[in-house]
Amino acid sequence: EAQVTQNPRYLITVTGKKLTVTCSQNMNHEYMSWYRQDPGLGLRQIYYSMNVEVTDKGDVPEGYKVSRKEKRNFPLILESPSPNQTSLYFCASGRSSGRALRTGELFFGEGSRLTVL
Amino acid sequence: GQQLNQSPQSMFIQEGEDVSMNCTSSSIFNTWLWYKQDPGEGPVLLIALYKAGELTSNGRLTAQFGITRKDSFLNISASIPSDVGIYFCAGQNYGGSQGNLIFGKGTKLSVKP
Repeated sequence: EAQVTQNPRYLITVTGKKLTVTCSQNMNHEYMSWYRQDPGLGLRQIYYSMNVEVTDKGDVPEGYKVSRKEKRNFPLILESPSPNQTSLYFCASGRSSGRALRTGELFFGEGSRLTVL
Repeated sequence: GQQLNQSPQSMFIQEGEDVSMNCTSSSIFNTWLWYKQDPGEGPVLLIALYKAGELTSNGRLTAQFGITRKDSFLNISASIPSDVGIYFCAGQNYGGSQGNLIFGKGTKLSVKP
């Protein structure tokens, strides 16, 4: 089954404790991206990757890091989480060619709800 | 950066009613897409539009790509309870940044049986 898998789905942590949210896709997609969803603000892009070893900042990259060492995985790293990073996070993947996301269709994971105390 | 203005922010309707929502931008887009997010899940693509003026249907859903390439609308006919969720428009500009896909803030739809 084609899917994007995120882990953990739910996490409560404390300020400053480093954490990683993993994302894996089995569709051989070149493009992967992280979004955060907050009430009234919609989906805001954190980082994206057009292909292996290629990553770029989105709208709200501060406080986050990513890496794309393998095509299927795109982990989101919070080096020193703060309460304003409490949010619902989504990983998504899609096909890209060159610098463009092909067709615009993204496949989303089920989300990771993070609470930072 | 580029922004999409999606309206309305929320809608409360009776089952059986028709629904209309739209998205506008100050910039032109090459592609317009509509996604739906069911409660507790990630968004899923409903309709993709690739040509200005294009009108596309998917069951009870109809979407149009505006002639000016700066807007799009989504209509849902004869709403049912499972239409509940958040609907996002998204625009793609091949010359833009952010991975070429920009999302609106969403329209939250509630359907009363």
